[in-house]
Amino acid sequence: DAKTTQPNSMESNEEEPVHLPCNHSTISGTDYIHWYRQLPSQGPEYVIHGLTSNVNNRMASLAIAEDRKSSTLILHRATLRDAAVYYCILRDRASGTYKYIFGTGTRLKVLA
Amino acid sequence: ETGVTQSPTHLIKTRGQQVTLRCSSQSGHNTVSWYQQALGQGPQFIFQYYREEENGRGNFPPRFSGLQFPNYSSELNVNALELDDSALYLCASSFFGRAVGEQYFGPGTRLTVT
Repeated sequence: DAKTTQPNSMESNEEEPVHLPCNHSTISGTDYIHWYRQLPSQGPEYVIHGLTSNVNNRMASLAIAEDRKSSTLILHRATLRDAAVYYCILRDRASGTYKYIFGTGTRLKVLA
Repeated sequence: ETGVTQSPTHLIKTRGQQVTLRCSSQSGHNTVSWYQQALGQGPQFIFQYYREEENGRGNFPPRFSGLQFPNYSSELNVNALELDDSALYLCASSFFGRAVGEQYFGPGTRLTVT
């Protein structure tokens, strides 16, 4: 299973953009890149996913490097409600299981 | 559309006892996965159930077992509880067949083993 590497923690000011990096140098051609976040006292919540191209949704944007060995989750305007642990996960689309390998994630602190 | 629900929310057991945790999957989902999350760590995959059979397992001993029912709800059973089994147990549902495979997690059951 391919692994991901993320910084342990990051800080951002409220209403400013946040760029959360993830390295996945051993990614395979069939791996989707997923991002989830876990708010305090809750289960993880799906944020966004991508394969090769950059992706946007109502929550965030995902920028994927051309060689797919790294990606960046972009929160365009951080709010206090975005304070959470963010996980970057690789999921093999050719696999018959939905086995996610979570790392320790990045704890995002948003300052008012 | 109802989300993933888990019961109970909290549980305290004694070492050596057995425990059963329950999960109701999101409407329209046919696959359930279970994860264990120790304090300060990311969730660790225990196993997945599809069509009432185990369909993938992580690095957990056989005393961790599960069931999936015809309505796609699921149980996680842990026998001979150890102190290290104290954790948040998360259930996640998804629809098998979607290549993306996004999962929807419940709020978890906090198990404390004393």
